[in-house]
Amino acid sequence: AQSVTQLGSHVSVSEGALVLLRCNYSSSVPPYLFWYVQYPNQGLQLLLKYTSAATLVKGINGFEAEFKKSETSFHLTKPSAHMSDAAEYFCAVSESDYKLSFGAGTTVTVRA
Amino acid sequence: GAGVSQSPSNKVTEKGKDVELRCDPISGHTALYWYRQSLGQGLEFLIYFQGNSAPDKSGLPSDRFSAERTGGSVSTLTIQRTQQEDSAVYLCASSTGLAGTDTQYFGPGTRLTVL
Repeated sequence: AQSVTQLGSHVSVSEGALVLLRCNYSSSVPPYLFWYVQYPNQGLQLLLKYTSAATLVKGINGFEAEFKKSETSFHLTKPSAHMSDAAEYFCAVSESDYKLSFGAGTTVTVRA
Repeated sequence: GAGVSQSPSNKVTEKGKDVELRCDPISGHTALYWYRQSLGQGLEFLIYFQGNSAPDKSGLPSDRFSAERTGGSVSTLTIQRTQQEDSAVYLCASSTGLAGTDTQYFGPGTRLTVL
């Protein structure tokens, strides 16, 4: 069975500061891992995905994530937060071709 | 190009009524998914369609929920005899279905409120 744990339901950062969102997964097979972002009243948008190629994955909007098998982690980072990064972020894992299991989400607020 | 569209965007219904939620996937996408997003349960997988294969219904919470996909395109999620716990945002996604880990593109969702 697969599952995802996102540490911290809310994260507040200052504009220009590092954004770090934590995600740990459990999977019985080598997983596929994803980060999605959801802006208010919108659907989910893919930020990046890990599919067993490079362990450091670069995504859109300056985000990146590193797959660490030894730590079963896939933390999301962005060096410098922008006001437009305020949103809810979801980590997801898939062991198959399709069924995604999502974490509970982390809401990011950016302080001016 | 056009993304995944869903209708209605909002639906308010009375307990016990049936509702139908519609999803129009991206043209050419053979795979279609329904998820539910609720405060208590987070994001949950409901059902998956891929081409002409039998759908994976393993995430449907009860037999009051059903879904169909006509002509390999539009999908309808039907909830019969709605209950208050059905209140949630229902998200539809589609993908090319060509390979594992292909990206799922999500629609804006339908917010269902059961009074």
